[in-house]
Amino acid sequence: DAGITQSPRHKVTETGTPVTLRCHQTENHRYMYWYRQDPGHGLRLIHYSYGVKDTDKGEVSDGYSVSRSKTEDFLLTLESATSSQTSVYFCAIRVAGQGDSYNEQFFGPGTRLTVL
Amino acid sequence: GNSVTQMEGPVTLSEEAFLTINCTYTATGYPSLFWYVQYPGEGLQLLLKATKADDKGSNKGFEATYRKETTSFHLEKGSVQVSDSAVYFCALSGNTGNQFYFGTGTSLTVIP
Repeated sequence: DAGITQSPRHKVTETGTPVTLRCHQTENHRYMYWYRQDPGHGLRLIHYSYGVKDTDKGEVSDGYSVSRSKTEDFLLTLESATSSQTSVYFCAIRVAGQGDSYNEQFFGPGTRLTVL
Repeated sequence: GNSVTQMEGPVTLSEEAFLTINCTYTATGYPSLFWYVQYPGEGLQLLLKATKADDKGSNKGFEATYRKETTSFHLEKGSVQVSDSAVYFCALSGNTGNQFYFGTGTSLTVIP
């Protein structure tokens, strides 16, 4: 599982409240990603990071922000949650450099978020 | 731009049947191609990959061949088992490798 954990694993919140999801990795990978998974859409990239304090937007970044103050943690924040952000959120890392696993992504177990 | 299109499900097969899940892609340059599998309540797991044209990825009896001429990466298995029931995602990684693009997923149910 490439040492990826996500917290919390489940969360129910109300519209308008801020929510922060945490992704933690233990293997010092440079690239980290946040996706959301919704029926009929597969996985869609929200934001990704290519190093400490280096982040970029994905295709569905509106309403989300991220931070990466240290290599092992990548935080996803919903500043003011909406019902349309009810989803399952997955964190992933990408293996860079040489080797058999080059360019593979490994995923965390997911966080199920419900916004009422 | 980059995109992946895979056949819609759900797919229901009897045990020991032959499986094909179609995947086609649009990409600039020379992408890497992947199949991921997701079991209920879990994250995605890499099933197999191919990094250049004519490469064949294989794992656990599943195979897929990178066909540049038809821009396809179809997943096949000769004899499915009940334990293969899952959602399968085709994906590509673009030239820079920074971003991945996923298909919408195909749900497979194998019945005894």
